Amino acid sequence: AQKITQTQPGMFVQEKEAVTLDCTYDTSDPSYGLFWYKQPSSGEMIFLIYQGSYDQQNATEGRYSLNFQKARKSANLVISASQLGDSAMYFCAMRGVIQGAQKLVFGQGTRLTINP
Amino acid sequence: DTEVTQTPKHLVMGMTNKKSLKCEQHMGHRAMYWYKQKAKKPPELMFVYSYEKLSINESVPSRFSPECPNSSLLNLHLHALQPEDSALYLCASSRVSSGANVLTFGAGSRLTVL
Repeated sequence: AQKITQTQPGMFVQEKEAVTLDCTYDTSDPSYGLFWYKQPSSGEMIFLIYQGSYDQQNATEGRYSLNFQKARKSANLVISASQLGDSAMYFCAMRGVIQGAQKLVFGQGTRLTINP
Repeated sequence: DTEVTQTPKHLVMGMTNKKSLKCEQHMGHRAMYWYKQKAKKPPELMFVYSYEKLSINESVPSRFSPECPNSSLLNLHLHALQPEDSALYLCASSRVSSGANVLTFGAGSRLTVL
């Protein structure tokens, strides 16, 4: 079974500061994928960044980067130069394949608030 | 604008009503998903369709009935729901192949059962 753990229910950060959102995972599959999604109050889940288990380098997408430490089973999201619009719920998720179909399992989420 | 369109955005229904949630995508994705999200909780998978065939049913009660009439459409038929079924229902789609398959989500349908 796959498990995703996000231990920070909420975080408060000053605008323009960098922020790290923690995510640890557990799986027995040698091949897996890790995702981060952002969910504003509107409800839509917005894809941010992806890291494959065999990727040699940490993923980056603009202001988002993923600090992937495979031995520690962690995949922390780093947001540089935070903006007010970054205030949202952030979910870490792991991909599994069941019966040929892809399944995403989500962590409990971290609510990020950016203060002006 | 989201590439997965869900209608309606809001739905209020009684426990004896029959209603449907609709989801549409035109990205050529052949996998489509229904997730249920309660307030302050992560999304939970309900159903997965792959090439228009139901491939995963996460032990969802029969009062929820999914349907995938073609590769672009996904419906969720609702009948005899309970108040605890009130939630945000999210539809998503993705390619079927392995690798960095990103699930693209719709904005959700917020359901209230009275």
